[in-house]
Order: sequence, then structure tokens, then C-alpha cells
Amino acid sequence: RKEVEQDPGPFNVPEGATVAFNCTYSNSASQSFFWYRQDCRKEPKLLMSVYSSGNEDGRFTAQLNRASQYISLLIRDSKLSDSATYLCVVNTGNFNKFYFGSGTKLNVKP
Amino acid sequence: DAMVIQNPRYQVTQFGKPVTLSCSQTLNHNVMYWYQQKSSQAPKLLFHYYDKDFNNEADTPDNFQSRRPNTSFCFLDIRSPGLGDAAMYLCATSRDTGDNEKLFFGSGTQLSVL
Repeated sequence: RKEVEQDPGPFNVPEGATVAFNCTYSNSASQSFFWYRQDCRKEPKLLMSVYSSGNEDGRFTAQLNRASQYISLLIRDSKLSDSATYLCVVNTGNFNKFYFGSGTKLNVKP
Repeated sequence: DAMVIQNPRYQVTQFGKPVTLSCSQTLNHNVMYWYQQKSSQAPKLLFHYYDKDFNNEADTPDNFQSRRPNTSFCFLDIRSPGLGDAAMYLCATSRDTGDNEKLFFGSGTQLSVL
């Protein structure tokens, strides 16, 4: 079983739409959680950390559900520039091992 | 600006010809990582250094080696590249180990093997 699993998509949505991605993780001892954004042939860039209380950054909202071992990312009012692959990343706290999901591809269309 | 720098951005090598990829950081982070990422796949951790302590992943082939001569620099050596080693190689750093540490990535080196 993979440490981190994501729906690969692609999610094809029109501009202005709201879209949500989920990610599940297998290690209940995992300590910290992140969403990274990766553009084609570029490096992953930190989008936001995910906290138990949930957190919001502009149009982006991240939630963590420890009981069910999943995290989510909600994007409101999608922009063309949001088109990218979104990687779910989990730090198990086991000597700082970061586990990556394979990413969810988002295409925002005009 | 403090950052993680990888050179070169694109590297072409021949089958079996050794190649070295380089990474430097101005963040003064203790931990440096090398990831391999193939198309539409998750980045796969090859190894990492905590300061000078080298930590190899169990499934990393012997063909891949690494050196960290000082805090700022880390190298990935591929001794005999095969066609299957064509990928994006990502260098990353984190300040330390433990909870809430984040990864900071370089721009990656896209390796082609002819």
C-alpha cells in the first residue's frame, strides 16, 4: 500500500469553478502535511501547510482529518493560472521522511 | 535571495557515461535530499544527508552515489546511466528533522540518456 494516495485526475474545470482534491495517508503517526504545486517540468513549490484546525490562504483552503487519515485542498474561483499538478506531501516524523502522492492534475479552462 | 540552486538545468549524457549533478544551498539547512521524478509520478527519495551523515534508501540502486563535501554543496553521481535513469532530479533541503519541517526544492535537473 502506498504511503500517500491521490486521485491523479485530470480535473478539468471552467474558470471560476470550485474544485476539491483529497489525499489519504497510511501512517497514523504522520506529523505534518503539505500541499505543493508543481508546474510542468518545474520543481514542486510549497502551496500551504495543513493544520488540524484547517487553514485558509486566499482562495485556497486546506483541511486535515486525522481520524480518517485524509487531507483536502479546496480552490475557489479557479483561475487559468491555477492549472498545475497538486502534490500531497506527508512527513511521518520518522527521521524527516517526506512521502509524496503522485499528484492531481488540474486544468482550468476559459 | 537564499535558495537552492541546481546545475545544470538540462543534462544530456550517453548510455554508460558517468554524470554528476550538482546542488548548492544558501539556506544553511542541515538536511539535503535527492529525489528522482519520472513523468507523471511522485518524486522518489534516493538518499539524504543530515549534516555529513549519509542515509541511503533501501531501494536506491548502487549506480547512484552522493557526496556532500560541505554544508552548502551536494552532488549526485550516476556511475553508469541507463535509459531508465532519464528523469528529473530534484535537490531539496530542510532546516532540520522533526515535525513541521518543510522541503525547499531547487529547480531540478532534467537528465536525458542517449
